[in-house]
Amino acid sequence: EDKVVQSPLSLVVHEGDTVTLNCSYEVTNFRSLLWYKQEKKAPTFLFMLTSSGIEKKSGRLSSILDKKELSSILNITATQTGDSAIYLCAVVMYSGGGADGLTFGKGTHLIIQP
Amino acid sequence: DGGITQSPKYLFRKEGQNVTLSCEQNLNHDAMYWYRQDPGQGLRLIYYSQIVNDFQKGDIAEGYSVSREKKESFPLTVTSAQKNPTAFYLCATFDSGANYGYTFGSGTRLTVV
Repeated sequence: EDKVVQSPLSLVVHEGDTVTLNCSYEVTNFRSLLWYKQEKKAPTFLFMLTSSGIEKKSGRLSSILDKKELSSILNITATQTGDSAIYLCAVVMYSGGGADGLTFGKGTHLIIQP
Repeated sequence: DGGITQSPKYLFRKEGQNVTLSCEQNLNHDAMYWYRQDPGQGLRLIYYSQIVNDFQKGDIAEGYSVSREKKESFPLTVTSAQKNPTAFYLCATFDSGANYGYTFGSGTRLTVV
């Protein structure tokens, strides 16, 4: 059974802190790993990672995938209250003709206190 | 603007009723998906469709039904057989082309009263 596990499930830090969110996976036919930020409604796309191991960066956010450890981390530096959200990790399995869908982790609920 | 429109945003259902959630897209994406989100559960796949007139069950399809008569539309019916339908429902499309990735709608929050 395909499995995506995120940790921690919840995290409370102070503004300015750096946080690291984890995502590990056990899936067949791995294609890519996606990170999303969900504030109130629709998840918004952050990064797509593949087995190439190339780090992705966007402002204070960065992410990388370790294909040996079958895991990925999402780093947020100098956190702000606007970073408070649920961060979702999802794995795409390759089906040959497209994507069958995403398998999501349970998410990490991040709260940034002023 | 290109995107996904889900309606209604909030829906209340009485016990024993069927309700239908709408998902419309103008992104010209072939693949469409329905996910259910419960607190602490992440997103779980209900149904997906990779092409018009074809759809497949996801991990939690029991008590749900879908249709895909048009490329733009993928409605989800929550039937009375679904014993615990209160949840947040998200529709998504997938682009396998140049803009590879998923796009999500804003969701429908369904509550049983």
